[in-house]
Amino acid sequence: GAGVSQSPSNKVTEKGKDVELRCDPISGHTALYWYRQSLGQGLEFLIYFQGNSAPDKSGLPSDRFSAERTGGSVSTLTIQRTQQEDSAVYLCASSVTTSTDTQYFGPGTRLTVL
Amino acid sequence: EDQVTQSPEALRLQEGESSSLNCSYTVSGLRGLFWYRQDPGKGPEFLFTLYSAGEEKEKERLKATLTKKESFLHITAPKPEDSATYLCAVGVLTGGGNKLTFGTGTQLKVEL
Repeated sequence: GAGVSQSPSNKVTEKGKDVELRCDPISGHTALYWYRQSLGQGLEFLIYFQGNSAPDKSGLPSDRFSAERTGGSVSTLTIQRTQQEDSAVYLCASSVTTSTDTQYFGPGTRLTVL
Repeated sequence: EDQVTQSPEALRLQEGESSSLNCSYTVSGLRGLFWYRQDPGKGPEFLFTLYSAGEEKEKERLKATLTKKESFLHITAPKPEDSATYLCAVGVLTGGGNKLTFGTGTQLKVEL
C-alpha cells in the first residue's frame, strides 16, 4: 500500500502563531514516531505512539509541543506560539510493531517560522 | 548517553571508485543498527537493519556490516545515482518502543 504521508509539505508561519502538522502512517502499523531534522543536525526524536498512547514524550523540546493520535492511525503534532528556533523539517515514521521493527519515514513537513 | 558518529562528513567519488562509510556508536542495549539513504527534500529511505555483530546485508552495490562498536556501509563501483546522504541510526528501547538515535550523516557525491 501507500507509504507514510505527511501534510502540509511546507508551512510558513509567523512567530507566535500555532501550527498543526499531520501524519498518516502506513496502514496496519501500530507504532508511530515523530522526529525533527534541523539544518546541519541529525534527526532528533520527539515522541512515540503505541496505538493511541504516547509512552515516551521525552524528546518534546518544550511544553509548547504536543501530539495526539486517534483511532490508532492519524497523528497530529501541534506547536503553540511558534518560535524561530522551531524552524526545521518534521518527519514522521511508522513501524509494524514497537520492538525492533524498521521505521519507514514520510517525506516530512518543512516548517519555517518568520 | 547514546551516541552515533559518522565519518567522513562528506565524500566525493568517481564513478566505479569503491569506498566505505563508517558509523561508530556507543549505546546501552542496542536494538538494531539502521542505515537509511536521504535525498535532498525527501524523507529517509530504509536500506538495512543489522542486529548482531558479524551480521552482513547486501543490496545492489551496497553492503552493510556490523561489529560491536561500529558499522560500515561499503559501496562497490558506485554510480552517480548513488549520490545522497547516508544516515546511520541505533535503536534504543524506550517505553516499549524503539527510539532511533541518528548520526549526522555522510554526504556522498559520485561523479562521472
